[in-house]
Amino acid sequence: GPKVLQIPSHQIIDMGQMVTLNCDPVSNHLYFYWYKQILGQQMEFLVNFYNGKVMEKSKLFKDQFSVERPDGSYFTLKIQPTALEDSAVYFCASSLGRRGPEVFFGKGTRLTVV
Amino acid sequence: GEQVEQRPPHLSVREGDSAIIICTYTDSATAYFSWYKQEAGAGLQLLMSVLSNVDRKEEQGLTVLLNKKDKRLSLNLTAAHPGDSAVYFCAVSVNYNQGKLIFGQGTKLSIKP
Repeated sequence: GPKVLQIPSHQIIDMGQMVTLNCDPVSNHLYFYWYKQILGQQMEFLVNFYNGKVMEKSKLFKDQFSVERPDGSYFTLKIQPTALEDSAVYFCASSLGRRGPEVFFGKGTRLTVV
Repeated sequence: GEQVEQRPPHLSVREGDSAIIICTYTDSATAYFSWYKQEAGAGLQLLMSVLSNVDRKEEQGLTVLLNKKDKRLSLNLTAAHPGDSAVYFCAVSVNYNQGKLIFGQGTKLSIKP
């Protein structure tokens, strides 16, 4: 199926530092998402992004979080500053939206804040 | 907001047997229903999805049933094999245009030889 690529697969960072997670969505997709999965728990929606704007964000999407996709390049999730509770696996996803509701996920970036 | 309950949390079946995973949801406006498979250390693989106007869909040994009256979604794996061992998640959406999925808690499926 369609591939969503995430870079890096693992990231270890000191608490208080900034981290950027990168995602290369499916090439013709229009909607982009970030989800968070704490080890052994369910996936939780963070944010969706369309036409250069955040459409909806959950209460997990703290003020320290931001997303962007400058000029069709990587779709990024930036956390600044990081906190210990940000340790989780972050999954990027994309879809066509109205023209195709299927949401395709990347393999995730495991973020460890120490 | 939408609540999704998935059961069982763990399921062990013998190779060749069937496995059934069930999700219940609360919002009658839910329009899109999907099932994902997550193997150890991997991302989520979309298995099947249906819109609310579909009651049953079968593909490659998998059957998805949707009971809108009871707000219940099920995934039936027939003739399970070792490669089916994984965690399975249901995920639903009210506004499928924007892809905000609400996930179940997951079912860890183990296939015994």
